[in-house]
Amino acid sequence: AQSVTQPDIHITVSEGASLELRCNYSYGATPYLFWYVQSPGQGLQLLLKYFSGDTLVQGIKGFEAEFKRSQSSFNLRKPSVHWSDAAEYFCAVGAETSYDKVIFGPGTSLSVIP
Amino acid sequence: DGGITQSPKYLFRKEGQNVTLSCEQNLNHDAMYWYRQDPGQGLRLIYYSQIVNDFQKGDIAEGYSVSREKKESFPLTVTSAQKNPTAFYLCASKARDRGSNEQYFGPGTRLTVT
Repeated sequence: AQSVTQPDIHITVSEGASLELRCNYSYGATPYLFWYVQSPGQGLQLLLKYFSGDTLVQGIKGFEAEFKRSQSSFNLRKPSVHWSDAAEYFCAVGAETSYDKVIFGPGTSLSVIP
Repeated sequence: DGGITQSPKYLFRKEGQNVTLSCEQNLNHDAMYWYRQDPGQGLRLIYYSQIVNDFQKGDIAEGYSVSREKKESFPLTVTSAQKNPTAFYLCASKARDRGSNEQYFGPGTRLTVT
């Protein structure tokens, strides 16, 4: 079955500390992978995406993610968190051959301590 | 500026009434989607449409209906048959080109039914 798991429901980090949000997927086809961020009461904004090529992808707001096929993971990282990064983060997976549905993970809520 | 608009941002209805949520995009995207978001459950797909005058049920279509008469518009009707309609509703769109698989989201509509 196709699925996306984000093991951490909620994470709290101090401002300036590094961050890693975990994402694991189960997908039969070659995956297209995404990370989205959602501020309270807002829509989702794309942070970064992986289709192919270099397994380390850079995104907006200083985020990066690494695709590890052997571990079926696509973890999101940021070396130094800012207070404005507090939000909900969603990992998602789609397929190269299917452009109709994308599967979203349950989300990880990030709190930042000043 | 191109984007997706959803209106209204907040909507209140009495139980037993149908209500229609608006979604408009000027991105020239063929595909459009409706998601429901509840706390701790991520995004669940209600309906999606890949082309005008055609749409498919998602994972939780019961109690909802849609139309796609124009490429730019994909309104969602929450009917009285939906048992628990209070939620945050997100509309998204996507180009059909391969290699451009990310979805673009609107700001959402929060529906409260009492």
